Amino acid sequence: GQQVMQIPQYQHVQEGEDFTTYCNSSTTLSNIQWYKQRPGGHPVFLIQLVKSGEVKKQKRLTFQFGEAKKNSSLHITATQTTDVGTYFCAGDAGGTSYGKLTFGQGTILTVHP
Amino acid sequence: GAVVSQHPSRVICKSGTSVKIECRSLDFQATTMFWYRQFPKKSLMLMATSNEGSKATYEQGVEKDKFLINHASLTLSTLTVTSAHPEDSSFYICSARERLDPNGELFFGEGSRLTVL
Repeated sequence: GQQVMQIPQYQHVQEGEDFTTYCNSSTTLSNIQWYKQRPGGHPVFLIQLVKSGEVKKQKRLTFQFGEAKKNSSLHITATQTTDVGTYFCAGDAGGTSYGKLTFGQGTILTVHP
Repeated sequence: GAVVSQHPSRVICKSGTSVKIECRSLDFQATTMFWYRQFPKKSLMLMATSNEGSKATYEQGVEKDKFLINHASLTLSTLTVTSAHPEDSSFYICSARERLDPNGELFFGEGSRLTVL
């Protein structure tokens, strides 16, 4: 079945440093979504990428979808303590799996002030 | 934004008893809801897809007789953990999509932490 691999598993940064998490799918995706889960909280939707090579920005966050629609990345510029949490990518393979997301393992980000 | 309410947020039960968890979409209709299980510092593992008015679709390895799912209306899905055992202790999270946006974002409930003694 479809697998979504996400690296790194953990990332510790000093406040102000940049952060990137990478996501790779074993199959071509219809779309990919990113979620953030704060400690003790539930996942919250960040963004959805649909088009090949798409790049979207939300303030200090930059999301990319690969040309082959199999990989994606989330980059945070100048991290802040409020960025702490686990970032998950989730891929939708489409077809018979339409609408069903497969989540990556997540990257746990800690930011030291 | 859309809100999904999950209840109870925490539940402790004795081994052998059954526990029901509710997932409600408060301001939208959801034809499909999803149930996940999450272990500490781990990813979300999809357990089943709950379809309004029909049987749930379970992922491989998930016991349908143990994890009963009912989706009786467009705003409510329930997960019943039957004859719970300590290994069933986990964080269970539901999610839902708006009926009119079947490929859009998922709205997650707050999660239910189950502890089986």
